[in-house]
Amino acid sequence: DQQVKQNSPSLSVQEGRISILNCDYTNSMFDYFLWYKKYPAEGPTFLISISSIKDKNEDGRFTVFLNKSAKHLSLHIVPSQPGDSAVYFCAASSNSGGSNYKLTFGKGTLLTVNP
Amino acid sequence: DAGVIQSPRHEVTEMGQEVTLRCKPISGHDYLFWYRQTMMRGLELLIYFNNNVPIDDSGMPEDRFSAKMPNASFSTLKIQPSEPRDSAVYFCASSSTYGYTFGSGTRLTVV
Repeated sequence: DQQVKQNSPSLSVQEGRISILNCDYTNSMFDYFLWYKKYPAEGPTFLISISSIKDKNEDGRFTVFLNKSAKHLSLHIVPSQPGDSAVYFCAASSNSGGSNYKLTFGKGTLLTVNP
Repeated sequence: DAGVIQSPRHEVTEMGQEVTLRCKPISGHDYLFWYRQTMMRGLELLIYFNNNVPIDDSGMPEDRFSAKMPNASFSTLKIQPSEPRDSAVYFCASSSTYGYTFGSGTRLTVV
């Protein structure tokens, strides 16, 4: 039973364009959401997060949007760069300020940015 | 800071053998997590510790899996006996207020 779903296994975009990665969740107790980026042969690294009290968080080229009513979040990367090519994991926690506690991850989306 | 250190990086073993994966968390982090990554299931939480005490092991697949954290600087995940379906990448992560840091993982292949 996947509580965090990333329905697109892969996404391919042109350099300079926008990348949009999507994530859906089913557990209404989740109140903190994160995106991790993973390169081959490395562990996932934290990218950006959002609390359920917000609907948007921005950090440079990366923006995460949260739609609580739809139980949906998305990660926007603008402009996309070849170095952004990686697997992106969506994760969720049911503890407030939940980065300390256990995270439930999606299966990941492989983003390929073509030069 | 060397980050979260996992060993070995790769392990190939025969079915039925015991496998031990090791993790050294970041000093000062009071949470330690073991995750398994497979194509089918993505990143699954197996078990996590807080201050060396196991808090939730509901993700451990079966009795063949066990994990220990004898002190704040070391944890092991043991599989005995190993089976081909255990083949995966196993990640250790540690956490403090500022979020998870993952190790580079151990790629386990059971033949």
